[in-house]
Amino acid sequence: EAGVTQFPSHSVIEKGQTVTLRCDPISGHDNLYWYRRVMGKEIKFLLHFVKESKQDESGMPNNRFLAERTGGTYSTLKVQPAELEDSGVYFCASSLGQTYYNEQFFGPGTRLTVL
Amino acid sequence: SQKIEQNSEALNIQEGKTATLTCNYTNYSPAYLQWYRQDPGRGPVFLLLIRENEKEKRKERLKVTFDTTLKQSLFHITASQPADSATYLCALSSNDYKLSFGAGTTVTVRA
Repeated sequence: EAGVTQFPSHSVIEKGQTVTLRCDPISGHDNLYWYRRVMGKEIKFLLHFVKESKQDESGMPNNRFLAERTGGTYSTLKVQPAELEDSGVYFCASSLGQTYYNEQFFGPGTRLTVL
Repeated sequence: SQKIEQNSEALNIQEGKTATLTCNYTNYSPAYLQWYRQDPGRGPVFLLLIRENEKEKRKERLKVTFDTTLKQSLFHITASQPADSATYLCALSSNDYKLSFGAGTTVTVRA
């Protein structure tokens, strides 16, 4: 069974440009999460989808970030325009259910560098 | 504000010894606590979960304790092996899905 996949693995862009990150969850997982780790800090929650609906986007830093989940399958996270402080590793995770005993499976992350 | 602290950034240990990692938290009332392992270039991998009403959990060579009075969890790797070298993260949650992570402790096991 394929795990959570993320694309691209690395992205280097200039300040002011737009970047779109993609996450493909494990097939059948209704719950999808985005987290990020900026340099020297801990991994922080960004948002949570249940199928195609945003359940909780309390961790989104500002309105330059837009997450979507088309048809409840893959998800994209767009940053527009990117700023220097957006550099970090963006992780996607998925789970079958959203209760505590449903393990979250993480993807390998996308390393974003904004110059 | 809520704070999660893992005792040290790095821990070097001889093969066969027990590694003990600490996770302390403040201004938080977690319902449960999880430990993850992260290898370079990979995402975190779930290891163990312990609930607030549980004192101890074991899985193979891993043991986790949870003391809500001290606001602390201890994570032990017994009979450590070089393959155990990785970064270990603790994560707390007061609800079902939103995880709050510590910064992690990098363990290096010397052969």
